[in-house]
Amino acid sequence: DTGVSQNPRHKITKRGQNVTFRCDPISEHNRLYWYRQTLGQGPEFLTYFQNEAQLEKSRLLSDRFSAERPKGSFSTLEIQRTEQGDSAMYLCASSHSSATNEKLFFGSGTQLSVL
Amino acid sequence: AQKVTQAQTEISVVEKEDVTLDCVYETRDTTYYLFWYKQPPSGELVFLIRRNSFDEQNEISGRYSWNFQKSTSSFNFTITASQVVDSAVYFCALSEWNYGGSQGNLIFGKGTKLSVKP
Repeated sequence: DTGVSQNPRHKITKRGQNVTFRCDPISEHNRLYWYRQTLGQGPEFLTYFQNEAQLEKSRLLSDRFSAERPKGSFSTLEIQRTEQGDSAMYLCASSHSSATNEKLFFGSGTQLSVL
Repeated sequence: AQKVTQAQTEISVVEKEDVTLDCVYETRDTTYYLFWYKQPPSGELVFLIRRNSFDEQNEISGRYSWNFQKSTSSFNFTITASQVVDSAVYFCALSEWNYGGSQGNLIFGKGTKLSVKP
């Protein structure tokens, strides 16, 4: 069991640049979630996929953010024209929809710093 | 509106002490789910427990126990005989039932940082 994998672990970028993060869920999991966590706060839901379909998006997900899961396996989260307020830990989680009591397994996150 | 409140920002105890982490939630739904997650310094959130709103039975797992009380909208977490390895940030979270079936849109509290000193 390899767990949820996220790359890169850290990303430093300049304001205005685009960044992309990748998440590889647990192989048999068909649901994939993205969360954002800022310092001293709990994670905040951004969006989720069931297979390749994006089923829910938070209002936190502005037009500069886009997430994809093209083949229902790994997912990418892209932020365009980054702003300093985008600095946060971006967490990915996965689960299986057939589970009666759904339980999310989280990755270690990608820490984004926008200078 | 959904909300989770963890009033204790930081708690410090000495090893072997018992410690209780408080969690109060708000929801208008009658069907909802409550969770506790542990976040060690490595950053990865580790699932501890899930409770469904229709199951008020308390639960014990080793040194961990959870007290769910719908009457006070609380879901408190107790660690008995704490150990240094318990040092982490603990999050309480709430999820509501939705037609899509996903229970993974979690509303997290701000977390309680627990420090257990030897």
